[in-house]
Amino acid sequence: SQKIEQNSEALNIQEGKTATLTCNYTNYSPAYLQWYRQDPGRGPVFLLLIRENEKEKRKERLKVTFDTTLKQSLFHITASQPADSATYLCALAGSSNYQLIWGAGTKLIIKP
Amino acid sequence: GAVVSQHPSWVICKSGTSVKIECRSLDFQATTMFWYRQFPKQSLMLMATSNEGSKATYEQGVEKDKFLINHASLTLSTLTVTSAHPEDSSFYICSANPRAGSNTGELFFGEGSRLTVL
Repeated sequence: SQKIEQNSEALNIQEGKTATLTCNYTNYSPAYLQWYRQDPGRGPVFLLLIRENEKEKRKERLKVTFDTTLKQSLFHITASQPADSATYLCALAGSSNYQLIWGAGTKLIIKP
Repeated sequence: GAVVSQHPSWVICKSGTSVKIECRSLDFQATTMFWYRQFPKQSLMLMATSNEGSKATYEQGVEKDKFLINHASLTLSTLTVTSAHPEDSSFYICSANPRAGSNTGELFFGEGSRLTVL
């Protein structure tokens, strides 16, 4: 069955450092992959989308890579700030619909 | 940007009663809306896909008679949890797909509704 794995343990990073989150998947060939941010008690907020034919995508301090051979995406936040503390979700989708398969998310804690 | 509003943000009800949650797209028309539930530290679980003017499509294992979905207009979908029980307590989130058809698949989410059934 299709499966998405994100680090279940919280990731603690010192402010100013780069935070790297991992999303691995199996038994799936997604057309694209998305990353969302979710704050406690709130709905997810879209951050970045990367397509299967793209290796890397950037947006301000965010960078996403997509390796379809390794079946892995890495999500980087450079110059991290305490305000970046949240749970980050990855989601995969095929090319034909908007239904996404979600990871459980990784909680990121940026310490001042 | 697209805004999705969800109401109420939290609700407490007695076992056996019904609760309605509304999801509105404020600045765009949404032919399709999705309803999710989320348990603590778990991934979003798609419950159903709501299509304007037609019956919702429910995911396997989701009781359509218990979770009634109505998508009567291009800006409003409602989820009614009927005869709620404590095990229905969860965080319910809706999302909408802009009618204009963003083929990026980006979803816009509501703020979520925390349901507690006593």
